[in-house]
Amino acid sequence: ILNVEQSPQSLHVQEGDSTNFTCSFPSSNFYALHWYRWETAKSPEALFVMTLNGDEKKKGRISATLNTKEGYSYLYIKGSQPEDSATYLCASPDSNYQLIWGAGTKLIIKP
Amino acid sequence: DAGITQSPRYKITETGRQVTLMCHQTWSHSYMFWYRQDLGHGLRLIYYSAAADITDKGEVPDGYVVSRSKTENFPLTLESATRSQTSVYFCASSARLGEQYFGPGTRLTVT
Repeated sequence: ILNVEQSPQSLHVQEGDSTNFTCSFPSSNFYALHWYRWETAKSPEALFVMTLNGDEKKKGRISATLNTKEGYSYLYIKGSQPEDSATYLCASPDSNYQLIWGAGTKLIIKP
Repeated sequence: DAGITQSPRYKITETGRQVTLMCHQTWSHSYMFWYRQDLGHGLRLIYYSAAADITDKGEVPDGYVVSRSKTENFPLTLESATRSQTSVYFCASSARLGEQYFGPGTRLTVT
């Protein structure tokens, strides 16, 4: 059974500081790695979908890297702002193409 | 309007009643999904559909029924609602392994 793990579970960061967190997944039978941002009282929104080892993607101050050989992805946020406060989810498809979701990292930006 | 919509947004029902949650998407995405969000569990997949007339069970299918007679619609029915089915339900759609687009959610309370 595919298991996707995220760490840390929660993170408090001072406004203006940069931060990063981790998603771990099995390196065998890898198809893709998704990152989503989920703000309170809203729906999850896709940030990135990565498929190739060494992929790096960027959207504004947020970027992600992918290492499929060792089974991890990092999400980086540069110069955190209050609007970055959210839960960040990663997910990876299993052999039936169902997304297996991590439990998320809850990011709280302190002004 | 283009996008993915869910109805109703809020529903209160009694134990034992049948409830149907509606999901409609305008992108002609082949894949559609139903998740529930519960404290401590994150997103859990109930059912998914790869195309019209094709549905498959997810992680927590018991007590739910789905159908997909048209590509754009994916209703979820609770045949006899129980208190344990009190949750926030999210519908999502995607193009195969692509990013999933989530609806606004339906908050269901079973009394």
